[in-house]
Amino acid sequence: SQTIHQWPATLVQPVGSPLSLECTVEGTSNPNLYWYRQAAGRGLQLLFYSVGIGQISSEVPQNLSASRPQDRQFILSSKKLLLSDSGFYLCAWDSQYTNQPQHFGDGTRLSIL
Amino acid sequence: AQKITQTQPGMFVQEKEAVTLDCTYDTSDPSYGLFWYKQPSSGEMIFLIYQGSYDQQNATEGRYSLNFQKARKSANLVISASQLGDSAMYFCAMREVNSNYQLIWGAGTKLIIKP
Repeated sequence: SQTIHQWPATLVQPVGSPLSLECTVEGTSNPNLYWYRQAAGRGLQLLFYSVGIGQISSEVPQNLSASRPQDRQFILSSKKLLLSDSGFYLCAWDSQYTNQPQHFGDGTRLSIL
Repeated sequence: AQKITQTQPGMFVQEKEAVTLDCTYDTSDPSYGLFWYKQPSSGEMIFLIYQGSYDQQNATEGRYSLNFQKARKSANLVISASQLGDSAMYFCAMREVNSNYQLIWGAGTKLIIKP
């Protein structure tokens, strides 16, 4: 069966520090991969998605970047965090079929001080 | 224009009652899928139920059913015999064939079940 791992679960970082969140998927190949951000009590904002290694599409201009160095690995990064980067970050995967749901990792709660 | 609209920001329901969460959508794509997710306070997103645009029958999964009215472009989630553990945020989402398979999300409804 397929599983998705996302870490860390919680992160507290000072303003201006770098960021690296990692997500890996097991049990499937060539998944679509997604990074979302969710403000408290709000809906999901799509940040990046990837349909293959090295292929990254950005939905929102910001100081975040994403990379997909391997088929089942998706990394969210920043060189200098801003206070506005605080939030709940979710990684997800799905296959390229309309009727298949996205499956999510457990999320990372990021607090910027 | 909003493609997915959830008009109920919050709802209170008595335990054991049925509850309907509203979702309307907007698309010109003839082929699309509709999804409902549950997000408890712990944060994980849990897939509940799926309805395809060509499905003739309403989807059901245990206590969850989807009231799909294609002409009205609505896909309401019905939870029968609500339980305290149903308290959570609920999100409606849509995937269109011509949208690079991305999910379009509603703003969510916060459901609180009262004992």
